[in-house]
Amino acid sequence: QVQLVQSGAEVKKPGASVKVSCTASGYTFTSYDINWVRQATGQGLEWMGWIYSNSGNTNYVQKFKGRVTMTRDTATSTAYMELNGLRSEDTAVYYCARSGDYHMDVWGKGTAVTVSS
Amino acid sequence: QSVLTQPPSVSAAPGQKVTISCSGSSSNIGHDYVSWYQQLPGTAPKLLIYDNNKRPSGIPDRFSGSQSGTSATLGITGLQTGDEAVYYCGTWDNSLSSYVFGTGTQVTVL
Repeated sequence: QVQLVQSGAEVKKPGASVKVSCTASGYTFTSYDINWVRQATGQGLEWMGWIYSNSGNTNYVQKFKGRVTMTRDTATSTAYMELNGLRSEDTAVYYCARSGDYHMDVWGKGTAVTVSS
Repeated sequence: QSVLTQPPSVSAAPGQKVTISCSGSSSNIGHDYVSWYQQLPGTAPKLLIYDNNKRPSGIPDRFSGSQSGTSATLGITGLQTGDEAVYYCGTWDNSLSSYVFGTGTQVTVL
């Protein structure tokens, strides 16, 4: 079945970096884009950006430009999201989600990232 | 702050109907298709409606969507306890060059 499997929870210190992976299965990886969405505890959904799985081109929300890097490995059907300069406000669950025409139809279960000294 | 505004909460008795509004602008809802996502407690969001009014395979027809001008609406009929969740609208914002989500609406079954 179509699914996105994300890496496990992370605990990081302020200023550190985190890299979350998202491995796709059940479909042709390069036919869909991968979005990254985060959600702080008790808060709403926040779109961070996406990577075009075919070309590797990216589109980041202005807020995260300079701090986030999205990459993909077509050989392993895996997308990655790396966030640098972590601060406490980055504590959240990070989701990857597949999209075709601007709607996200398959979501990973999420990766909890905690930033704490 | 989200550019898409939803009511914080709606509620109704089992079997009744609820509607959730999503208010935007000409650069988002007035420009592109709207999707709706359901997030059950402790789980990832799930696509409920796309392209304003289409349901993915497996989504019951109790769920419906519509769009008019710069607003969109999600309707849920025959409300069930399993429908208790937070519902988000989402669409592309042409001015921000970003996908945007609504503020989210908690549905409570009384």
